[in-house]
Amino acid sequence: NAGVTQTPKFRVLKTGQSMTLLCAQDMNHEYMYWYRQDPGMGLRLIHYSVGEGTTAKGEVPDGYNVSRLKKQNFLLGLESAAPSQTSVYFCASSRIRGGGLAYEQYFGPGTRLTVT
Amino acid sequence: AQSVTQLGSHVSVSEGALVLLRCNYSSSVPPYLFWYVQYPNQGLQLLLKYTSAATLVKGINGFEAEFKKSETSFHLTKPSAHMSDAAEYFCAVTDTGTASKLTFGTGTRLQVTL
Repeated sequence: NAGVTQTPKFRVLKTGQSMTLLCAQDMNHEYMYWYRQDPGMGLRLIHYSVGEGTTAKGEVPDGYNVSRLKKQNFLLGLESAAPSQTSVYFCASSRIRGGGLAYEQYFGPGTRLTVT
Repeated sequence: AQSVTQLGSHVSVSEGALVLLRCNYSSSVPPYLFWYVQYPNQGLQLLLKYTSAATLVKGINGFEAEFKKSETSFHLTKPSAHMSDAAEYFCAVTDTGTASKLTFGTGTRLQVTL
């Protein structure tokens, strides 16, 4: 099992350009998440999905859009990149919550994005 | 709203010394708590989790954490630090909603010296 994979690993954009980050998981997880990591701020949730075709906003959703057309994939889009979106982006997935238990999230290796 | 506070953004210990990384949470309901480790230029890896089964939780690489409700704490410890423990450590709490969203602390960078 590859677990959670992210494409690309690195990207440099100019202000105003657009791009899509791809996340794929092979664990048949229902839940998927996109986070951004900035120095001294930990990880902050951008958007998440509880199932195919369903997405929701997290803590910092402005400037981003997401889609989950297939259960195993979760795409994060930047329509018009800004320098404030320079960050490391992590995708994660987890099992569906049930029986009163919350399951851990599995993380991808990250995408380092620089917007100039 | 839930929150997590990690005291100390940087902690330095000598190899062989006790590791103590602090985490305090705020939650109106019994929480689920996690510790993750991040090695340089990598994603996050689960160290251990508390899901109300036992207050003392053992994780990978010799780490453990104790849930103390009276102190709203979930501190991470390891009896003897190794050079390979140098990394950033994150405490996180999940909400009670169906999405199991995580709220992370700001992280503690552990340095291990000879």
